[in-house]
Amino acid sequence: KAGVTQTPRYLIKTRGQQVTLSCSPISGHRSVSWYQQTPGQGLQFLFEYFSETQRNKGNFPGRFSGRQFSNSRSEMNVSTLELGDSALYLCASSLQFRTEQYFGPGTRLTVT
Amino acid sequence: GIQVEQSPPDLILQEGANSTLRCNFSDSVNNLQWFHQNPWGQLINLFYIPSGTKQNGRLSATTVATERYSLLYISSSQTTDSGVYFCAVVKANFGNEKLTFGTGTRLTIIP
Repeated sequence: KAGVTQTPRYLIKTRGQQVTLSCSPISGHRSVSWYQQTPGQGLQFLFEYFSETQRNKGNFPGRFSGRQFSNSRSEMNVSTLELGDSALYLCASSLQFRTEQYFGPGTRLTVT
Repeated sequence: GIQVEQSPPDLILQEGANSTLRCNFSDSVNNLQWFHQNPWGQLINLFYIPSGTKQNGRLSATTVATERYSLLYISSSQTTDSGVYFCAVVKANFGNEKLTFGTGTRLTIIP
């Protein structure tokens, strides 16, 4: 069974631009979560989707948004990029509630 | 929110040595996972262990949920074991799947 996939793997953007990252969960998994990893803040939760509904949101500004489609694929969008948004963005999927979460390889975003 | 503390923050060992990594958490949990982050950033699942003991080859883990801690044991360390190990928990709360991560233990195995 294929694992969690994320595209693109690497991205370089300019301050003020916007970016969309994509995540395809493991087949059959309905829950998708997004995390940001930076050297200073570690791994932080962004948001979680289940059956196209956002169930939880982390403490990030409104510039960060996401959505989930009927096939469970998810996208996250960051508008008006700032230098501090440079990070590794990780997506995780799980089958249902209270089950093991599996991570994709991540998208490394650099904002210049 | 729930607090997750990992110790030690850094560990340097000779190849062949054994190690114990600790994870303390401040509240009841539905889920506890151990991960190894590879040099490219991907989190590799080691154990899903909200309670009890599990073993997988040279690695084993124990979670004592009533005392709010988990231990990861690595025996006969190899250089490929080097990297950062994370503990992550989901606070016991209906409908919550948010993983809260510790700050990690950086393990360096010297040949």
